[in-house]
Amino acid sequence: NAGVTQTPKFQVLKTGQSMTLQCAQDMNHEYMSWYRQDPGMGLRLIHYSVGAGITDQGEVPNGYNVSRSTTEDFPLRLLSAAPSQTSVYFCASSPRGGVGYEQYFGPGTRLTVT
Amino acid sequence: GDSVTQMEGPVTLSEEAFLTINCTYTATGYPSLFWYVQYPGEGLQLLLKATKADDKGSNKGFEATYRKETTSFHLEKGSVQVSDSAVYFCALSDLSGGGTSYGKLTFGQGTILTVHP
Repeated sequence: NAGVTQTPKFQVLKTGQSMTLQCAQDMNHEYMSWYRQDPGMGLRLIHYSVGAGITDQGEVPNGYNVSRSTTEDFPLRLLSAAPSQTSVYFCASSPRGGVGYEQYFGPGTRLTVT
Repeated sequence: GDSVTQMEGPVTLSEEAFLTINCTYTATGYPSLFWYVQYPGEGLQLLLKATKADDKGSNKGFEATYRKETTSFHLEKGSVQVSDSAVYFCALSDLSGGGTSYGKLTFGQGTILTVHP
């Protein structure tokens, strides 16, 4: 049982490039989400999904796209990278959405945009 | 909207000292409260949680009590160890606010704890 896995661990992009951050979980969790972590700001929700085929925006969705074609995978796409997207990105999953459920986090992807 | 405020860090302690990290929150509904810990180079792990008023969450010697009257969820440990050095995040989840809040965790800014031998 690998839990939540993320690839790559580190990435450097030039402004304007696009890329996809991968996230997978093997716990059959319905709910998956992406957060970004910036110094002094905690973590902020980018997008989330309550099941395959269903996604919705969080509080900082601009510049990012997601899709959920399977229960296991929830990739995050950067359409045209900007220096403001330099951050550490965490994928998380939980058995269901809603109040009170523990979220399980991946190890993170550290992204630098130059 | 919902918000979480943690005490300013970083916090530096000697081994076996008493730890308190303050956390207060603002929520529209009736939230569940969490403490997550992030060890260097790793993702966040749940440390403890409480889902209703006066509940006490505990794990690995850490405790926190859900105080609705003071909207607080302070983290405490009686005797810290070097291995407790990490970043600690207070967070809440709340169903109010509709779609953009569903399942969302609202985090405090994090408190860096360093414990010296």
